[in-house]
Amino acid sequence: KAGVTQTPRYLIKTRGQQVTLSCSPISGHRSVSWYQQTPGQGLQFLFEYFSETQRNKGNFPGRFSGRQFSNSRSEMNVSTLELGDSALYLCASTLQGAASHYTFGSGTRLTVV
Amino acid sequence: GESVGLHLPTLSVQEGDNSIINCAYSNSASDYFIWYKQESGKGPQFIIDIRSNMDKRQGQRVTVLLNKTVKHLSLQIAATQPGDSAVYFCAESFGNEKLTFGTGTRLTIIP
Repeated sequence: KAGVTQTPRYLIKTRGQQVTLSCSPISGHRSVSWYQQTPGQGLQFLFEYFSETQRNKGNFPGRFSGRQFSNSRSEMNVSTLELGDSALYLCASTLQGAASHYTFGSGTRLTVV
Repeated sequence: GESVGLHLPTLSVQEGDNSIINCAYSNSASDYFIWYKQESGKGPQFIIDIRSNMDKRQGQRVTVLLNKTVKHLSLQIAATQPGDSAVYFCAESFGNEKLTFGTGTRLTIIP
């Protein structure tokens, strides 16, 4: 079966712009979690969506937001981009939300210039 | 706050030798720990996990040890192969919810 699909794979944006990233989970998975990966901070939890509801949220500013659709696909949005938002954004899907069963996508590499 | 850290950022091991990657965690309430492998251009891949009521778990060529007294986790890889070259992360969780990751150790296998 298909894995977790993230689009686009690479993105270059200018400071002040906004960006939307997409994550299609494994078929049947209802939970999608997002993580930011940077060389300095490592992998940090952004938020988790389950059945279209945000169930958990990390310690990121309000510029970072997300949503989940009825087909479990999820998007995350970053507004007013800053240079420090340059990172690999990873999403992980699970059936019910258990972190022990995460399947990660390959990520979207965002570069802010 | 909660944090998971790694003792060494890089590790080079001769092919065929065993490697040990260490990790320290700070949240004594964490009840679940996972090791991930991340290759270039890919997302983290599950290697092995262990619950807090265990102190050792073995998989294929990998063993995870948990020492709750000193809040230490280690990953042992036996008979390393070139394909083991990657960045390895430990992660902790409370209640099997969101994961807190360590900063990663880059393992390089020398042919």
